[in-house]
Amino acid sequence: QLQLQESGPGLVKPSETLSLTCSVSGGSITSSRYYWGWIRQPPGKGLEWIGNIYYSGTTYYNPSLKSRVTLSVDTSKNQFSLKLTSMTAADTAVYYCARLYDTSGWVDSWGQGTLVTVSS
Amino acid sequence: QSVLTQPPSVSGAPGQRVTISCTGSSSNIGAGFDVHWYQQLPGTAPKLLIYTNSNRPSGVPDRISGSKSGTSASLAITGLQAEDEADYFCQSFDSSLSGSVFGTGTKVTVL
Repeated sequence: QLQLQESGPGLVKPSETLSLTCSVSGGSITSSRYYWGWIRQPPGKGLEWIGNIYYSGTTYYNPSLKSRVTLSVDTSKNQFSLKLTSMTAADTAVYYCARLYDTSGWVDSWGQGTLVTVSS
Repeated sequence: QSVLTQPPSVSGAPGQRVTISCTGSSSNIGAGFDVHWYQQLPGTAPKLLIYTNSNRPSGVPDRISGSKSGTSASLAITGLQAEDEADYFCQSFDSSLSGSVFGTGTKVTVL
């Protein structure tokens, strides 16, 4: 059974860079047709797509975050990562890593989520 | 930044039927992109309920169904049970974003 697990700091200072890693187990990150993505959810609010990456390195970013986001993949470790620069309080959210069937498809597997708070 | 609109809340008594609408536009649902639905229980990650408009993953009961027409989609829950009390989100692809868009979310309350 596929499992995804986010790791990274729970607290980030304003203006700093958030770095999160998603470790994939029970399946290969190089599986064809599957994209790997990040989705966030501010407390008490809805879901926001951040971006997707294919194992080849092809990326798609939400235009509203594109200038601050970088996704990367490490196939040797079966992991993919998120970097989000210039963090503000508005970036406080639960960050989920996820597997999507195709870049336009559904999320069939989610990480448990990790709460990231931006505060000095 | 949600571009798919859902009612904030719906409610029903046990055993009743409730429906949740998801309204999009010509750059997402209206462009023919598929709609998917998720259930989110408090403090947990969303769970896939319906994919590609009307398909249920294994383990999802057949009292849950989805449909799509024009620029909108709907999720129906029949035989409402206490365990259905949760938040529900729709998702589609938006050509202007070249990525996923989610609905605003609907809280289902079982009276």
